[in-house]
Formats: sequence, C-alpha cells, structure tokens
Amino acid sequence: QVQLQQSGAELVRPGSSVKISCKASGYAFSSYWMNWVKQRPGQGLEWIGQIYPGDGDTNYNGKFKGKATLTADKSSSTAYMQLSSLTSEDSAVYFCARGLDYYGSFYWGQGTTLTVSS
Amino acid sequence: EIVLTQSPTTMAASPGEKITITCSASSSISSNYLHWYQQKPGFSPKLLIYRTSNLASGVPARFSGSGSGTSYSLTIGTMEAEDVATYYCQQGSSIPRTFGGGTKLEIK
Repeated sequence: QVQLQQSGAELVRPGSSVKISCKASGYAFSSYWMNWVKQRPGQGLEWIGQIYPGDGDTNYNGKFKGKATLTADKSSSTAYMQLSSLTSEDSAVYFCARGLDYYGSFYWGQGTTLTVSS
Repeated sequence: EIVLTQSPTTMAASPGEKITITCSASSSISSNYLHWYQQKPGFSPKLLIYRTSNLASGVPARFSGSGSGTSYSLTIGTMEAEDVATYYCQQGSSIPRTFGGGTKLEIK
C-alpha cells in the first residue's frame, strides 16, 4: 500500500536551516509529482511547490522561492524540502502529498511540525 | 494564480441537516481539476471528492460534489457528528496549486 512517512518534529533557531524528509513506499516514486504544503496553526493549507523525482523538475509557489528547495533521491524513494533563513513565520506543520493534479491527492504524509524559536 | 474563495467560512448544522459549501474560482477551471478535502484537527487532509463529483474510496455516500467553470459545491446530504471538520477545495489545473481558505463545520 502507498505510504508517505515524514521525518519527526524539529525545533530550530531563527536564521538556521532545516531539511524535512518524506519517504515514499508502495508505488513508483519516480512517476508521480510530490508536493509540499504548509499549514500554520489554526490556518489553511498553502502550496509550497512540487518535484517530479523522475527528472528532478520542480515548480514553486513564487512566495516560497528562495525559502524552500525541493530535492528527491530516487535510490531511497525520498523527497526532501530544505527551508532556509528560518523565522517564526516558518513555524508550521508541513505535509508532503502525492499528486494534487488530475486526481487530487489521496496520499498525504502525517505532517512534520517545525518550531522556530530561540 | 487562481484564487479559490469558499463560503461560508464557518457554519453550524444540526444532525440530519443538509449542508452545502461553495467554492468560487477567480478564473474558469476544468471540472477535472477541482477536488475537495476534509481535515480534522491533528490529522492530514483526507480526499473526499476528486474531479468535482467523484467520491474517493471509503467516503460515505452522503457526500457529493458538483459544479463547473468558476462555481463548485460540496454537499453533505445528512449531517452527522463525525462530519465536524474543516473542508477545503483545491485546484490542480494550474501552477501554483491553490486551496480555498477552508470552511469550518460544527454541530449544533
């Protein structure tokens, strides 16, 4: 069965960077877009960007260009999102989700909570 | 960017009541690319309806969707206590992907 397993919660200092992972299993990792979605406490869902692991092609929400960098490792079926120059505004739950296109997304990771605090 | 505006933002319904949530797009979307999600606190979003009107696997038949162009809706035929959640529409037609602001559904 398809599963997306995300890395654990992170507590990081302002100004630092963090890399969150999403390990996929149960399907052909290279053949589906992997998306990243942000949700601040009590707020809605915000699309960050997507990566196609097959060729590394990426699309970003303009708001997150320079903030988020998406990569994927086909050998381990893992997608990564690096967030840089962290501030309190980056404190949120981050989800990975397969697809979000023609069929929506039936498959979501469990979410990774990022807390940026000194 | 396609902006999705949901209405209402918050609502309360009695058990057995029929509920309709609307999603208005700033420009026309193919109905093949409009989807609905349910999210309960502390959980990931769950796909309810894909391509406007198709029920996702395991979703109760009291949920339905319709619409075209710039106007879409999600209907719950008879409200149940387990339907308390926040509902989001999402478009997969263009980049950036966008979500509606959400509709929080409570029970009376």
